[in-house]
Amino acid sequence: GENVEQHPSTLSVQEGDSAVIKCTYSDSASNYFPWYKQELGKRPQLIIDIRSNVGEKKDQRIAVTLNKTAKHFSLHITETQPEDSAVYFCAASGVGGFKTIFGAGTRLFVKA
Amino acid sequence: SAVISQKPSRDICQRGTSLTIQCQVDSQVTMMFWYRQQPGQSLTLIATANQGSEATYESGFVIDKFPISRPNLTFSTLTVSNMSPEDSSIYLCSVSEETQYFGPGTRLLVL
Repeated sequence: GENVEQHPSTLSVQEGDSAVIKCTYSDSASNYFPWYKQELGKRPQLIIDIRSNVGEKKDQRIAVTLNKTAKHFSLHITETQPEDSAVYFCAASGVGGFKTIFGAGTRLFVKA
Repeated sequence: SAVISQKPSRDICQRGTSLTIQCQVDSQVTMMFWYRQQPGQSLTLIATANQGSEATYESGFVIDKFPISRPNLTFSTLTVSNMSPEDSSIYLCSVSEETQYFGPGTRLLVL
């Protein structure tokens, strides 16, 4: 069945450094790849997404890259801040977000 | 983005009982989903709530345990039936149009 693998499971960085989280997916029909940030006790919040017709997307300190041939995509956070500390989930789905499959999550710690 | 509310926000229930969780959206949406998030884990799709027809369940989830209603395009309910401590989890309603958004979740503890 469809599967999304996410690495690393835990990531600790110093404030100001960059953080990179990587995901691979199995379903070649997937064409929508969102990233969610979940703070403790809160709902997942969409932070950035990318569709299969583009290879890279950037929003301020956050960027996502997609390699459809290799079926992997990555989240890059630059100039990390303590408030970036949270669990990040990658996901993959078809058109309209149908049947989104989530990665296992990455717990990011940003040390001040 | 869609505004999603869920009731109750949390509950403590005795084993063997059932709990119905409500999800309300502020606009009509085609796709509504129910997810479960166990402590420290990722999100697992329980089912897709289809308006006017039976829900579509994922592997490992059955209608007798998790009956779902979707009477219109803005509302859905998920019932957790005959609960056991293993059902303790956060249950999240989600809607999807161009992008997918989540409700605040219902935190369930079964004793």
